[in-house]
Amino acid sequence: ILNVEQSPQSLHVQEGDSTNFTCSFPSSNFYALHWYRWETAKSPEALFVMTLNGDEKKKGRISATLNTKEGYSYLYIKGSQPEDSATYLCAAWGDYKLSFGAGTTVTVRA
Amino acid sequence: DGGITQSPKYLFRKEGQNVTLSCEQNLNHDAMYWYRQDPGQGLRLIYYSQIVNDFQKGDIAEGYSVSREKKESFPLTVTSAQKNPTAFYLCASSIGSDTQYFGPGTRLTVL
Repeated sequence: ILNVEQSPQSLHVQEGDSTNFTCSFPSSNFYALHWYRWETAKSPEALFVMTLNGDEKKKGRISATLNTKEGYSYLYIKGSQPEDSATYLCAAWGDYKLSFGAGTTVTVRA
Repeated sequence: DGGITQSPKYLFRKEGQNVTLSCEQNLNHDAMYWYRQDPGQGLRLIYYSQIVNDFQKGDIAEGYSVSREKKESFPLTVTSAQKNPTAFYLCASSIGSDTQYFGPGTRLTVL
């Protein structure tokens, strides 16, 4: 099992504000880092798959960075909207499987 | 429409019963996975299969069994040996280490 940790466990953000949160993972034998968004009553949906150190990916107002040498990734939400309310999961790939963190639950207040 | 389906959406089990959760995909993915989610925890891997007729135990395989006789199908049986089966179960598929696509899930409750 790869030890993947996410912080904080939950956060509240005012509509229009930006926020970010962290995923840490073992830096040795790194292969890939996944981010998923899981909205209530829906299936987890992929946001990013990242493999290269220094990589930065963007999807609309959401972006992510990756540091494989120190073993962390940040997810940023710019100008939060109510529809961004969800649990964000990160997962590290190793031994033909993903190991998931416990997630960061984001609640956007209008 | 390509996708991954799970059935049933809700399932109730009596003590001592075995139950089987269905997972089907038409994405032509070789790899399939079963996860369990409990409140306040992340997804934990039960079993995974990289190819037809082959599967491996995940992190919490005790009390569960699977089969992979067809590429499209990866059913999960929750046996009476699973002491705390009440949970939300998610099935997923992928091409190797690429994006995993998830089904809608099955919520299992033990009566």
